[in-house]
Amino acid sequence: GESVGLHLPTLSVQEGDNSIINCAYSNSASDYFIWYKQESGKGPQFIIDIRSNMDKRQGQRVTVLLNKTVKHLSLQIAATQPGDSAVYFCAETFGGQGGKLIFGQGTELSVKP
Amino acid sequence: ETGVTQTPRHLVMGMTNKKSLKCEQHLGHNAMYWYKQSAKKPLELMFVYSLEERVENNSVPSRFSPECPNSSHLFLHLHTLQPEDSALYLCASSQGQGATEAFFGQGTRLTVV
Repeated sequence: GESVGLHLPTLSVQEGDNSIINCAYSNSASDYFIWYKQESGKGPQFIIDIRSNMDKRQGQRVTVLLNKTVKHLSLQIAATQPGDSAVYFCAETFGGQGGKLIFGQGTELSVKP
Repeated sequence: ETGVTQTPRHLVMGMTNKKSLKCEQHLGHNAMYWYKQSAKKPLELMFVYSLEERVENNSVPSRFSPECPNSSHLFLHLHTLQPEDSALYLCASSQGQGATEAFFGQGTRLTVV
C-alpha cells in the first residue's frame, strides 16, 4: 500500500550542528505534507508544513524541502539544540484531507552536548 | 499544551473490562480523529469525525466504538480488548478536513492485561 517512509531510524548530531532528516513518500497525489516532533510521553507536535505547489518553506530554525520529482521530503534543523531531541515524523495527505494523515516510521534525533 | 486534552493519561484494563477514553479540544475545530500508536510502528488512523458525523472507520475492530456528541468532545469506548491493543491512543483535531495541520493531544497510554 501507499506509505510514507523515513530513510534512517536514528540520527545523532552534535549540539550546534545542523540536522537533516529525510523522508520518502510514495503517493504522487499527496498534496500536503507535515513534519511533527514527538517528545517522550507527549503527543506529536506540529513543526512545519508544506503544500505540493511549493518546494521550500522556512520557519524558525527549520526548513522543509519538497522534491516532487523523486517524492522526497526533508527537514533541516539549524543549530540543533538538546531540546530538539525527539522522534520526528513526516506525514502526508491528499485531497484536502488535512487530518487524515499517513505517517512514516519516524526518526529519533539525539543531540550530543 | 496544544489545546487538545485527553484523559486519562494512563489506563490499565482487563480483557473483560469496559472503559472509555475522552478527548476535548478547545480550538474551535470541527473535525476530530483517533489515532493508534503502537511501539515501533507508525501512527495509524482509526476514526474520522467531521461536524460530529463519522466519515471514516479505518477497518477498526468493533471492540473500539467512537462517539462524538459535539464538535468539542470525542470518546473512544473500549470493551473486550486484547493485549495487542495496548498502545498510545492519540486524539487530534483540525479545522475541517481541509489542508490544515492536525493538532494532537498528549495521548492515553493503554495497557490491556
